[in-house]
Amino acid sequence: EAQVTQNPRYLITVTGKKLTVTCSQNMNHEYMSWYRQDPGLGLRQIYYSMNVEVTDKGDVPEGYKVSRKEKRNFPLILESPSPNQTSLYFCASRGAGGKDTQYFGPGTRLTVL
Amino acid sequence: GNSVTQMEGPVTLSEEAFLTINCTYTATGYPSLFWYVQYPGEGLQLLLKATKADDKGSNKGFEATYRKETTSFHLEKGSVQVSDSAVYFCALNLYNFNKFYFGSGTKLNVKP
Repeated sequence: EAQVTQNPRYLITVTGKKLTVTCSQNMNHEYMSWYRQDPGLGLRQIYYSMNVEVTDKGDVPEGYKVSRKEKRNFPLILESPSPNQTSLYFCASRGAGGKDTQYFGPGTRLTVL
Repeated sequence: GNSVTQMEGPVTLSEEAFLTINCTYTATGYPSLFWYVQYPGEGLQLLLKATKADDKGSNKGFEATYRKETTSFHLEKGSVQVSDSAVYFCALNLYNFNKFYFGSGTKLNVKP
């Protein structure tokens, strides 16, 4: 089954405590992205990756890091989380074809106290 | 710049009513356009898409036509069901296939 998985699904943490949200896809997709979803703002792209070791900033990259060491994995790293990073995060992947569908993970709800 | 504007919700309809959710866009170039649906507690799923002007995307009774002259991609369904209750997002994608712009989402509530 084609899948994008994220872990954890829910996380409550405190300001400044480094955390990583993992994302993995089993479709051998080249493209992967991270989004955050906030009420009234829709989804905003944080970072994306075109392939292994190739990443670029989206619209709201401040305070986040990513890495793409393997094709299937694209972790999101918050080195020093702050309360304004409390949000619902989605990972997504897509094949290299221009008409390929983008698949989304189930989401990670992060609360930073 | 590039952006997507959707009508604000929530939209509340009775079962079997006609649905329209408006979406307009601004883009530098010729985007592909998408509608995604998000059911409670889930990620987004692709509902339909159109990749060039005058294309009509359709799926599960939903339709949207890519109108270049009005820069619009309105979502329609002739007869909604309770199971259509969800949040709907309009989105565009440009030549960089991984760069997406989403609207703010429109929540649809369908009452029996």
